[in-house]
Amino acid sequence: DTAVSQTPKYLVTQMGNDKSIKCEQNLGHDTMYWYKQDSKKFLKIMFSYNNKELIINETVPNRFSPKSPDKAHLNLHINSLELGDSAVYFCASSQGGGVTDTQYFGPGTRLTVL
Amino acid sequence: GQQVMQIPQYQHVQEGEDFTTYCNSSTTLSNIQWYKQRPGGHPVFLIQLVKSGEVKKQKRLTFQFGEAKKNSSLHITATQTTDVGTYFCGSGGGSNYKLTFGKGTLLTVNP
Repeated sequence: DTAVSQTPKYLVTQMGNDKSIKCEQNLGHDTMYWYKQDSKKFLKIMFSYNNKELIINETVPNRFSPKSPDKAHLNLHINSLELGDSAVYFCASSQGGGVTDTQYFGPGTRLTVL
Repeated sequence: GQQVMQIPQYQHVQEGEDFTTYCNSSTTLSNIQWYKQRPGGHPVFLIQLVKSGEVKKQKRLTFQFGEAKKNSSLHITATQTTDVGTYFCGSGGGSNYKLTFGKGTLLTVNP
């Protein structure tokens, strides 16, 4: 069984559209994250949630709206997609949010905005 | 905010050569985690260093944390083609719920 899963794996869409990415973890972790990895492979934190509560929002445009229906799921909805949103989006989870907690990453969603 | 600088950005080696990537910070780090991302894959946790001067080994990989806890290195002895990928260091930097990553070092190995 995959520990952290994301759907879809690939997403190709037109500028201006709205899309969602789903993430689920079956590790029983309390904390979940969204990261964006750009074409230069830079891995940047976007959001972190602990027990369904938003903890970190790294100055992400409000076109990005995460939602955590329960602590095993963290979804990402993106409105009015722009060319610059093209990237690989990784979901991750950790037992807690402590600095020494190991992060487990999902397989990623490659988003291409045309 | 917390910044972690990683060098080099790219490294190409012949199979059998050694490889080292460095992670540096201007401030004291609470910890360092190292991750490996294979081409087309996702970051996978390798190891964590917490103590000043700590050294850990995993087969051909040696990880070090500086005495001042401001730098760390990952050294691979006698690289193999299976070592290809991007190696990231990351640190919590004292902030919970947030891991700040370096920009990564892409290692390619010529067989």
